[in-house]
Amino acid sequence: KAGVTQTPRYLIKTRGQQVTLSCSPISGHRSVSWYQQTPGQGLQFLFEYFSETQRNKGNFPGRFSGRQFSNSRSEMNVSTLELGDSALYLCASSRPTAEQYFGPGTRLTVT
Amino acid sequence: AQRVTQPEKLLSVFKGAPVELKCNYSYSGSPELFWYVQYSRQRLQLLLRHISRESIKGFTADLNKGETSFHLKKPFAQEEDSAMYYCALVQGGSEKLVFGKGTKLTVNP
Repeated sequence: KAGVTQTPRYLIKTRGQQVTLSCSPISGHRSVSWYQQTPGQGLQFLFEYFSETQRNKGNFPGRFSGRQFSNSRSEMNVSTLELGDSALYLCASSRPTAEQYFGPGTRLTVT
Repeated sequence: AQRVTQPEKLLSVFKGAPVELKCNYSYSGSPELFWYVQYSRQRLQLLLRHISRESIKGFTADLNKGETSFHLKKPFAQEEDSAMYYCALVQGGSEKLVFGKGTKLTVNP
């Protein structure tokens, strides 16, 4: 079966702009989670969605937001980008309490 | 607060040698523990979860609640085991994974 896909794979933005990243989960998976990966902080949880509802949120500022659609696809948005937002953003999908499958990530560079 | 500690950032062994990647956690409750692996140019993937008690690619991990540890072991390392390894925990009823900072394992020929 097709794996988790994320678009775009690479993105370059300037400070102050906003960005939207997209994640398509594995068919049948209703849970989608987002993580930020940086060399300094490692992998940090952003948020988790299940059936269009945010179930958990990590310790990130309100500039980071997300949503999930009825087909389980998810988007995350970062507004007023800062240099420190440069990171690899990973999406993972799963059935409840089952293995999480990760996407390839979106590499965001903020200049 | 939930926390996962992987004390070794880098670990280098020779092919055929035993390898142990350390993981300690702090969590008030009964966490579920995982090991994830990321090979070069590949996506993050699950290697082991403690509840399954499986051995994957020769790796095993035992949950020691007394020492709050979940060390990953393999008796004979192979060159293809070279990768980044992450220990993680999740609290019951949640999909939120808390990761350690990772250990880069290099298996030399």
